[in-house]
Amino acid sequence: AQTVTQSQPEMSVQEAETVTLSCTYDTSESDYYLFWYKQPPSRQMILVIRQEAYKQQNATENRFSVNFQKAAKSFSLKISDSQLGDAAMYFCAYRSGGAQKLVFGQGTRLTINP
Amino acid sequence: DTAVSQTPKYLVTQMGNDKSIKCEQNLGHDTMYWYKQDSKKFLKIMFSYNNKELIINETVPNRFSPKSPDKAHLNLHINSLELGDSAVYFCASSPWTGWGAYGYTFGSGTRLTVV
Repeated sequence: AQTVTQSQPEMSVQEAETVTLSCTYDTSESDYYLFWYKQPPSRQMILVIRQEAYKQQNATENRFSVNFQKAAKSFSLKISDSQLGDAAMYFCAYRSGGAQKLVFGQGTRLTINP
Repeated sequence: DTAVSQTPKYLVTQMGNDKSIKCEQNLGHDTMYWYKQDSKKFLKIMFSYNNKELIINETVPNRFSPKSPDKAHLNLHINSLELGDSAVYFCASSPWTGWGAYGYTFGSGTRLTVV
């Protein structure tokens, strides 16, 4: 079974600085998709960024970018110019190609210090 | 106009009671899900339906029974509630396609507290 591991339970960063959240996953498949979700105190789950495993280019969405290392099975999230509104739980998630189930990591709580 | 709406948002009930959570999506998605988020924030899938057909049924006590009257609705009924059922329950939906980087669209969650 696929597993997703986020080894940093908590992270903190100064406002306007850059922070990187780590995620590793375990799979024997070659076709899959990876996601980062944000869960602010409002509890809403918000999709931040997504990556197809077959694409070598790292996905970018405004201040959010990923470093996808397929051989190392690593999928880290970089947040540039951190803002107070970025404070949230961040979840890494995996889905097999052809499957419907999202498998989540344990989450990383990100604090932004003003 | 809410894409995935869950009701109620909060539910406090006594042990032994039966309760239901309702979910509706207006995105035209074929597939809907129930996830449970425990006190440590871990999210785990419980059930998934595709166009009213059950396609994922994880190891969940049979006190939990999902029901999908149509592809836009997925309800969760819980019998004989126990203290350990206290959690946040999320409904989500997605297109029916494995071959695409489609994430889920989540509802805002239902915080269930069993006392």
